[in-house]
Amino acid sequence: QSVLTQPPSVSEAPRQRVTISCSGSSSNIGNNAVNWYQQLPGKAPKLLIYYDDLLPSGVSDRFSGSRSGTSASLAISGLQSEDEADYYCAAWDDSLNGDVFGTGTKVTVL
Amino acid sequence: QVQLVESGGGVVQPGRSLRLSCAASGFTLSSYAMHWVRQAPGKGLEWVAVISFDGSKKYYADSVKGRFTISRDNSKNTLYVQMNSLRAEDTAVYFCARGGIQGPFDSWGQGTLVIVSS
Repeated sequence: QSVLTQPPSVSEAPRQRVTISCSGSSSNIGNNAVNWYQQLPGKAPKLLIYYDDLLPSGVSDRFSGSRSGTSASLAISGLQSEDEADYYCAAWDDSLNGDVFGTGTKVTVL
Repeated sequence: QVQLVESGGGVVQPGRSLRLSCAASGFTLSSYAMHWVRQAPGKGLEWVAVISFDGSKKYYADSVKGRFTISRDNSKNTLYVQMNSLRAEDTAVYFCARGGIQGPFDSWGQGTLVIVSS
């Protein structure tokens, strides 16, 4: 079972902004960097944000990330239909000695 | 460009074994830790295991510990996972991914489907 909690879904109109939260504990987000992944329908996941707030080459700057305490968040500004996907946070867990993923959030563009 | 191609999936009976492979190209496999991540049908992502760049360190999710073994052959540019004592709950698409021991996973394969069913 996932140890990182995300809202199951978020929705917003085009050109608006959405934020996805990721809640963890001191053994994971509280002590390690958070990475975010985007999974388009039927596709493999893609790295979206790494080390809390860094964008890989080629990722739109409409995406941004942050981490504070035992929580992290992903923001998508200027929402577009192509952003409809599942989004997952992930972090290393020192107690489990392994990576853990969030429960996933489905983003819908109204 | 970086390419990861999984193979070896299929239908297998509960209690049997299966070995998945992940062929890497476009980068030097021996410079990276590698991971297996799985996704049950209609479910979220679950991290399975990681192996360090030289194979000296291996970590597993509790759900597969003692049943799955991750390995690599850098000379063949290939990552493996040996899956024994398979259960219905192991049914999933299995992805290999490149990354540090603690992530991030910066490249992913397309996945291979494993179905455990009698």
